[in-house]
Amino acid sequence: GESVGLHLPTLSVQEGDNSIINCAYSNSASDYFIWYKQESGKGPQFIIDIRSNMDKRQGQRVTVLLNKTVKHLSLQIAATQPGDSAVYFCAEIFQGGSYIPTFGRGTSLIVHP
Amino acid sequence: NAGVTQTPKFRILKIGQSMTLQCAQDMNHNYMYWYRQDPGMGLKLIYYSVGAGITDKGEVPNGYNVSRSTTEDFPLRLELAAPSQTSVYFCASKTRGDHTEAFFGQGTRLTVV
Repeated sequence: GESVGLHLPTLSVQEGDNSIINCAYSNSASDYFIWYKQESGKGPQFIIDIRSNMDKRQGQRVTVLLNKTVKHLSLQIAATQPGDSAVYFCAEIFQGGSYIPTFGRGTSLIVHP
Repeated sequence: NAGVTQTPKFRILKIGQSMTLQCAQDMNHNYMYWYRQDPGMGLKLIYYSVGAGITDKGEVPNGYNVSRSTTEDFPLRLELAAPSQTSVYFCASKTRGDHTEAFFGQGTRLTVV
């Protein structure tokens, strides 16, 4: 079946480094993608989103890249800080699927001071 | 502003007991969702609703029931608790429209013993 997945379950980086978290999706009809951050004991929080008609979107210290050819999504975090330590999920939304966010397994980002 | 509120935050149930997980949102969102998150895993959709009076099954609905009598509330009912239902449960809501993110509650941690 269609699914969203992540390549790296755990990513460890040093404070100040740039982090890249990857996500593969398989539903070519998905037209909207969201990255969520989940800190321990909390619910997922929105970070950044991107529509399928875009290749790149930038936020504050974060950039999302979308490659529809290979169905790949990435989240880049610049100058990673200890407060960025969390689990990151990508979610895909298919307009024809009642706008239900479908989540992958998640990547745990660990930032070492 | 409250956003999505879930109660209780923690609960221990005995096998065979029943309970209702409460979810309320004050953003006048049409769409509401219930997910469960098992350790080290992503979020799996249990049930969802696209408006008051309308509910539908998600990926893992067995053992659960929902109702949506008002726009604000979307309770999740467990009738006969089983150890397999030990998980963290998240409620989310979203406004109508394809390119908008879902907002999540803080979660309910349920243990069935």
